[in-house]
Amino acid sequence: QQQVKQSPQSLIVQKGGISIINCAYENTAFDYFPWYQQFPGKGPALLIAIRPDVSEKKEGRFTISFNKSAKQFSLHIMDSQPGDSATYFCAASISSGYALNFGKGTSLLVTP
Amino acid sequence: GAVVSQHPSWVICKSGTSVKIECRSLDFQATTMFWYRQFPKQSLMLMATSNEGSKATYEQGVEKDKFLINHASLTLSTLTVTSAHPEDSSFYICSAEKTSGRGMETQYFGPGTRLLVL
Repeated sequence: QQQVKQSPQSLIVQKGGISIINCAYENTAFDYFPWYQQFPGKGPALLIAIRPDVSEKKEGRFTISFNKSAKQFSLHIMDSQPGDSATYFCAASISSGYALNFGKGTSLLVTP
Repeated sequence: GAVVSQHPSWVICKSGTSVKIECRSLDFQATTMFWYRQFPKQSLMLMATSNEGSKATYEQGVEKDKFLINHASLTLSTLTVTSAHPEDSSFYICSAEKTSGRGMETQYFGPGTRLLVL
């Protein structure tokens, strides 16, 4: 049972454009929502994370928007670059000591 | 920083042999580590949760006698694939949970270990 649903499965964006990936969850006990970036053959790298007490968090070109009432959160990549081409996973967890529940991933391709 | 290493990065073994994969948190202590498995173009699948000094908790469908996990110290967890078979070929990734000064936890992942069983 997929506890975190992620869309789209794949995304093509032109260089300089905005990449948007969406995730939805059901478990209201989740209180930690990270995004990971993974390149082929590598482990996931933490990109940015948010907790339910804020609705938005920005770090450089990456922004998480969080809608607690809708149980949705999204990743926005501003000024997308070819180097951003990777697979992005959203995740959610309850608290310390609990594993992350991952979405199925979004394969992002940024064209020159 | 928060660095997690895995060793080896890749391994090829014959069917029936056992393979041990190490996961180390290099610059922080981790009471809890996790082991995941990932198939090509798929998401990460949790195999087990490893707590230092206690037995690992395995996810449903994961054979605990086949995938032995030992978390002997706050910086090291090992996964041993016993009597490996070709269907065990996969990308195995560990993560370690780091607690910040504000009591918030973040999971950091290792670079993964590619296992190929012939």
